[in-house]
Amino acid sequence: GENVEQHPSTLSVQEGDSAVIKCTYSDSASNYFPWYKQELGKGPQLIIDIRSNVGEKKDQRIAVTLNKTAKHFSLHITETQPEDSAVYFCAASKRYGGATNKLIFGTGTLLAVQP
Amino acid sequence: DTEVTQTPKHLVMGMTNKKSLKCEQHMGHRAMYWYKQKAKKPPELMFVYSYEKLSINESVPSRFSPECPNSSLLNLHLHALQPEDSALYLCASSQVGTGHNEQFFGPGTRLTVL
Repeated sequence: GENVEQHPSTLSVQEGDSAVIKCTYSDSASNYFPWYKQELGKGPQLIIDIRSNVGEKKDQRIAVTLNKTAKHFSLHITETQPEDSAVYFCAASKRYGGATNKLIFGTGTLLAVQP
Repeated sequence: DTEVTQTPKHLVMGMTNKKSLKCEQHMGHRAMYWYKQKAKKPPELMFVYSYEKLSINESVPSRFSPECPNSSLLNLHLHALQPEDSALYLCASSQVGTGHNEQFFGPGTRLTVL
């Protein structure tokens, strides 16, 4: 079945530094790649996503890159702030069951931003 | 309104109890999802409803019974659960159609089975 690997599992950075989280997917038919942030006691919140026809997407301090050939995609957070501390999940998706899509999540990265 | 609400926030039940989890959205989404999340693990898909019809069941045990009474509501009926079913149960919703549509997650129900 489809698998998404995510690294690192934990990441500690100083406030103001950059953070990079990497994911690799197995199913070459995957064509949608969202990133979710999950704070303690809350549900996952979409922070950015990228589709397979785009190589890079940026939204203020957050950017995502996609290498379809290598089946890699990465999350880049610049100028990290303490409020960026959370668990981050990557996911891969393809059309499934008609008009809905099925997300396969990575294993998660616990990001800690030290003030 | 871009919110998915779930009730209750916390639920403790015995193995012989029957209880239900509720999820509601008013974004006009016609796909709704149930996920199970164990501690320090990613969400795992359980069920997907599309246009109020069950479209995906990820081989979930029959002690979990989903129901979608209308386009805004999603229930998960629980019966004869096991302690290993203790987890955070997340509901999500999305649009249906061409392209890949963002899934909006609720805050979850923290379930403890004694």
